Amino acid sequence: DQQVKQNSPSLSVQEGRISILNCDYTNSMFDYFLWYKKYPAEGPTFLISISSIKDKNEDGRFTVFLNKSAKHLSLHIVPSQPGDSAVYFCAASAENNAGNMLTFGGGTRLMVKP
Amino acid sequence: EPEVTQTPSHQVTQMGQEVILRCVPISNHLYFYWYRQILGQKVEFLVSFYNNEISEKSEIFDDQFSVERPDGSNFTLKIRSTKLEDSAMYFCASSEFRVGNQPQHFGDGTRLSIL
Repeated sequence: DQQVKQNSPSLSVQEGRISILNCDYTNSMFDYFLWYKKYPAEGPTFLISISSIKDKNEDGRFTVFLNKSAKHLSLHIVPSQPGDSAVYFCAASAENNAGNMLTFGGGTRLMVKP
Repeated sequence: EPEVTQTPSHQVTQMGQEVILRCVPISNHLYFYWYRQILGQKVEFLVSFYNNEISEKSEIFDDQFSVERPDGSNFTLKIRSTKLEDSAMYFCASSEFRVGNQPQHFGDGTRLSIL
């Protein structure tokens, strides 16, 4: 099942620079997209979400961009900090889905070097 | 900040045995979920639960699996006769609303090891 795909398994960025994590999807029924961060031995922690009727949502250092025609979204972290080092998951859900299930991408491991 | 708690953090069980994984969702949340992540694979949806019944289940959630909310605070996942391939991290999640952009909040997971 490749409905949500994160093509980069890892990304390394210098502290203070921008981190850009990408996510592609194939299911045009998805209405909401969410980003989660995961540290080892912990569960995923919600970061930011975006509705399909928007193309941008910003929360502090985190901005998510959605390009619906390309079925592509990205998470920008500016400036990147060493504490941002974690695995980032993109997830999607469809409003007409009774169970509100999330479909996850495979994750991107971000390493922010001091 | 309120959080989802899961016990135990690690469960080791012999193949064929029953196992119950426990979760305490956030107290004012009404929607509950189980996901699993096999080592090296994606996080996969298992089941969602609302108003004391299953809202949706995936193909993984076969007759060996069941969920229950035995009281006002706990939410459990039971695997009746475990198989080797059930070894995975199991995450419980809860949300206040069903609307898609209202986040699901995850516990830290139970690592299930089947021998």
